[in-house]
Amino acid sequence: DAGVIQSPRHEVTEMGQEVTLRCKPISGHNSLFWYRQTMMRGLELLIYFNNNVPIDDSGMPEDRFSAKMPNASFSTLKIQPSEPRDSAVYFCASSLPTGSQKKLFFGSGTQLSVL
Amino acid sequence: GENVEQHPSTLSVQEGDSAVIKCTYSDSASNYFPWYKQELGKGPQLIIDIRSNVGEKKDQRIAVTLNKTAKHFSLHITETQPEDSAVYFCAASRGDYKLSFGAGTTVTVRA
Repeated sequence: DAGVIQSPRHEVTEMGQEVTLRCKPISGHNSLFWYRQTMMRGLELLIYFNNNVPIDDSGMPEDRFSAKMPNASFSTLKIQPSEPRDSAVYFCASSLPTGSQKKLFFGSGTQLSVL
Repeated sequence: GENVEQHPSTLSVQEGDSAVIKCTYSDSASNYFPWYKQELGKGPQLIIDIRSNVGEKKDQRIAVTLNKTAKHFSLHITETQPEDSAVYFCAASRGDYKLSFGAGTTVTVRA
């Protein structure tokens, strides 16, 4: 299996522009997570989908952030408009519902720089 | 909510020596404790996990111990090798989808 696939690997954009991050989870995994990683705040859960349905979006910073999962093999995280404080590494992760604990498989991340 | 503290933030060891990373958690209802390894330019990768009904778990050169009474758990890496150099994260969960991560420990193995 190719693992969780994220694109792009790097994104540099100007403040005010729309940014779309993409994720393909591991086939057969029914849970998908978007995380943000920064030096100051570490790894933060932004949103959690189960069976394509958003279950918990309490970590989404504000209305500028939105996420969708139109089918089991694709998810997007969109920032509109982007701001310099959004600069971070964004990870997508997927998992099976193994028992009651979810073993997360992370993608390689998207390094976002907003100038 | 859960608060996970991780120490030390950086750790430098001589190749062949052992490395120990310690974490404490605040929520007594937490029952699942995974450890992730993150190499440069990659996402975190699960290396070992332990549940609250187990005190210790070992997988080759890595082991994790859990003290529920004191609410702390530790990662032990023996016979360290250069490929062990990475950032290690501990995490805690009540067994649902929410993982609370520690701040990470940067481990450097000196040849």
